[in-house]
Amino acid sequence: KQEVTQIPAALSVPEGENLVLNCSFTDSAIYNLQWFRQDPGKGLTSLLLIQSSQREQTSGRLNASLDKSSGRSTLYIAASQPGDSATYLCAVRGRAAGNKLTFGGGTRVLVKP
Amino acid sequence: NAGVTQTPKFQVLKTGQSMTLQCAQDMNHNSMYWYRQDPGMGLRLIYYSASEGTTDKGEVPNGYNVSRLNKREFSLRLESAAPSQTSVYFCASSPRVLAGPSYNEQFFGPGTRLTVL
Repeated sequence: KQEVTQIPAALSVPEGENLVLNCSFTDSAIYNLQWFRQDPGKGLTSLLLIQSSQREQTSGRLNASLDKSSGRSTLYIAASQPGDSATYLCAVRGRAAGNKLTFGGGTRVLVKP
Repeated sequence: NAGVTQTPKFQVLKTGQSMTLQCAQDMNHNSMYWYRQDPGMGLRLIYYSASEGTTDKGEVPNGYNVSRLNKREFSLRLESAAPSQTSVYFCASSPRVLAGPSYNEQFFGPGTRLTVL
């Protein structure tokens, strides 16, 4: 059974510092990995999707890497801003178990002005 | 485009009452999903619909039923609500079912916050 873990559960950084968010998964047989942002009381917003054949994806200040063999993905947010404060979730789409998305528990980020 | 919309936004039920959560998408997506989000449990898939006319169970289907009314709409029904069903419910859609190599992304609605007393 695929398990997805995000450590730490919460992170606080001063404005301007780079953010590094970690995601690990137990079964490397995946099709892709997706990073989401969730604001308090809101739905999920897709940030980046990395296919299993890719090593990284970039969008603006966001860069996500994928190391499928070690079961890890990292989301980097450069020059953090208070508006980046949110919960970040990763989810993997596996080749087994009905090909559903399996989500991590999320990392709650606070960027202090 | 509104994307994925859900109604209602909030609901309070008494144990044993029934209700239907509505979801609609205007992106012409084939596949739709219902998740629940609970503290410490993350998001878990309840049911999904790979395409119009088909539905399948996810990880936590007990106590729920679904209907894929047409390509746009996918509803979730609680026949006899229980306090354990207190949660935030999210509907999502993607261009096609998450099966096989593809570049699918899932897009989520704003959620329905349900409390069962």
